[in-house]
Amino acid sequence: SYVLTQPPSVSVAPGKTARITCGGNNIGSKSVHWYQQKPGQAPVLVIYYDSDRPSGIPERFSGSNSGNTATLTISRVEAGDEADYYCQVWDSSSVVFGGGTKLTVL
Amino acid sequence: QITLKESGPTLVKPTQTLTLTCTFSGFSLSTSGVGVGWIRQPPGKALEWLALIYWNDDKRYSPSLKSRLTITKDTSKNQVVLTMTNMDPVDTATYYCAHTIAVAGTEGWFDPWGQGTLVTVSS
Repeated sequence: SYVLTQPPSVSVAPGKTARITCGGNNIGSKSVHWYQQKPGQAPVLVIYYDSDRPSGIPERFSGSNSGNTATLTISRVEAGDEADYYCQVWDSSSVVFGGGTKLTVL
Repeated sequence: QITLKESGPTLVKPTQTLTLTCTFSGFSLSTSGVGVGWIRQPPGKALEWLALIYWNDDKRYSPSLKSRLTITKDTSKNQVVLTMTNMDPVDTATYYCAHTIAVAGTEGWFDPWGQGTLVTVSS
């Protein structure tokens, strides 16, 4: 089965740039979607189709996908960005989620 | 505005069958490309996809749980039902349903999600 690998945690100072990676075999050939989940809340879509932003998501959120790594980039990080982030793809007619990354804003 | 809400028992005993209902509004499951999926999250752990049903009754299941899951839809009631047999304490989790759409034949993302419902499996 297809595996998506995310770092368990990423820390960043306010105002800096956070990069959260999602590794998978030839993931660049797939569409990657990203979700933000704050404590006690349901996940929220922040990036779809590798780099598209849903309405209402700040431009500070961006995504890229190439080779074996997809990346969610959050620019000018704010305290409110502290959350768990999950990547998601489809593989062989099944949905696959990454293990999640906890973003800590220092 | 699309909304979804999960309902069902909060406590089930081991070996019992869990039945969860997702009631939604703001879209129709008879519209081409539209689907509803179920995802769960054990306390403190990652998201795990369970099943998905599309407007045309195409059903997808997690390979690891396929033998225990059944997903159905009632278009007239705007509901999707998930049943999971032989429940075990490791199935304790928050269960979410979510809207999805297949664009140009390509499966997509989940947006939005319901608030989730916590199901505890214990005797």
